[in-house]
Amino acid sequence: GAVVSQHPSWVICKSGTSVKIECRSLDFQATTMFWYRQFPKQSLMLMATSNEGSKATYEQGVEKDKFLINHASLTLSTLTVTSAHPEDSSFYICSAANRGQGNQPQHFGDGTRLSIL
Amino acid sequence: AQSVAQPEDQVNVAEGNPLTVKCTYSVSGNPYLFWYVQYPNRGLQFLLKYITGDNLVKGSYGFEAEFNKSQTSFHLKKPSALVSDSALYFCAVRDMPINAGNNRKLIWGLGTSLAVNP
Repeated sequence: GAVVSQHPSWVICKSGTSVKIECRSLDFQATTMFWYRQFPKQSLMLMATSNEGSKATYEQGVEKDKFLINHASLTLSTLTVTSAHPEDSSFYICSAANRGQGNQPQHFGDGTRLSIL
Repeated sequence: AQSVAQPEDQVNVAEGNPLTVKCTYSVSGNPYLFWYVQYPNRGLQFLLKYITGDNLVKGSYGFEAEFNKSQTSFHLKKPSALVSDSALYFCAVRDMPINAGNNRKLIWGLGTSLAVNP
């Protein structure tokens, strides 16, 4: 089945640091990738939708200058949390979908636990 | 606006008993419905989907779901629960309109925590 690799799994860093999270589709071309944020015992909050070769579409209330998304190839999207602060600590999850498979499910990475000290 | 409701925050069942995790939806047009499962500190795994056709959909790990158009429901079921089924379950519906710019966005329920007791 479709595999999405997300790296790193865990990040602990100091306040003010920028953190980059990678999301790779290993065996299919991901024309669309989604970035989610999940708080403890809560649902997924979609942050942005990223289409290969174009600018990401951010959800209302998500700061695009804070959460930089790049989707430069059909197999890689990155989320950079710039100048991270403790309130950015969360579980970030990516998922990927192929434009050619309209009714197929999104395929998820295993998430990144981000802890800002 | 499209929406998904999972009315139960938590469901507890005994191992071996049947389980049901409820989901209702509100969409304009025909719904595309999905169930996902999340284990602790992991991403989501796809279980099953309903797009069209037979109302009873069979998925991974022995799960199934029944699409009920009149009740706008898509409840997840399993005849005999396992302790290993304990996890967080999410229902989702595809955002509309589907053909607008290749929209793949999903509208998510808040999740239901399933605890299967030995």
